[in-house]
Amino acid sequence: AQSVTQLDSQVPVFEEAPVELRCNYSSSVSVYLFWYVQYPNQGLQLLLKYLSGSTLVKGINGFEAEFNKSQTSFHLRKPSVHISDTAEYFCAVSDRRNRDDKIIFGKGTRLHILP
Amino acid sequence: DTEVTQTPKHLVMGMTNKKSLKCEQHMGHRAMYWYKQKAKKPPELMFVYSYEKLSINESVPSRFSPECPNSSLLNLHLHALQPEDSALYLCASSQDIRGEAFFGQGTRLTVV
Repeated sequence: AQSVTQLDSQVPVFEEAPVELRCNYSSSVSVYLFWYVQYPNQGLQLLLKYLSGSTLVKGINGFEAEFNKSQTSFHLRKPSVHISDTAEYFCAVSDRRNRDDKIIFGKGTRLHILP
Repeated sequence: DTEVTQTPKHLVMGMTNKKSLKCEQHMGHRAMYWYKQKAKKPPELMFVYSYEKLSINESVPSRFSPECPNSSLLNLHLHALQPEDSALYLCASSQDIRGEAFFGQGTRLTVV
């Protein structure tokens, strides 16, 4: 079964600085990869997804992520963060060869923007 | 319409009450989900319906009873809950189980 590791439970960063949130998954089999954002007291919103094709994926709110098959990573980046980016970020994976495979979520990384 | 609508937004119930959570989507998605989320934790999958049939039950206690009346609606019936069941309950839907899931805003449940 797939698993997802988000090594950083919390990442503090100054406003307008760049940020990278790390995500590694367990297997090199064909996967779908996702990043979700959760603002306080809300549901999860999809930031971006990798299904196939270009390894650099651009999402909403200026975020992007790069799929690295050899390192089984899918790190999320933003060149300049804003106070409104304060939220919990979840990386998720599913096995695209198995149509019954469910999405597995990482434990989440809390992005804390410092003024 | 790319929304998943959940009602109610907040619910307080006693341990002897019976209540239901409701979820609706009109995106034509054939997979629908219930997740439970405790504070500062990731969502935990409870149930998955695929083509209106229960396909995954993650060993959830029987005091939680899901129902999928049609392809657009998903209910979660609650009975004799415990205080530790207090959490944010999230509904989601997707084209298929592997794919991008769309989440509702959740129901904040408090069991007293």
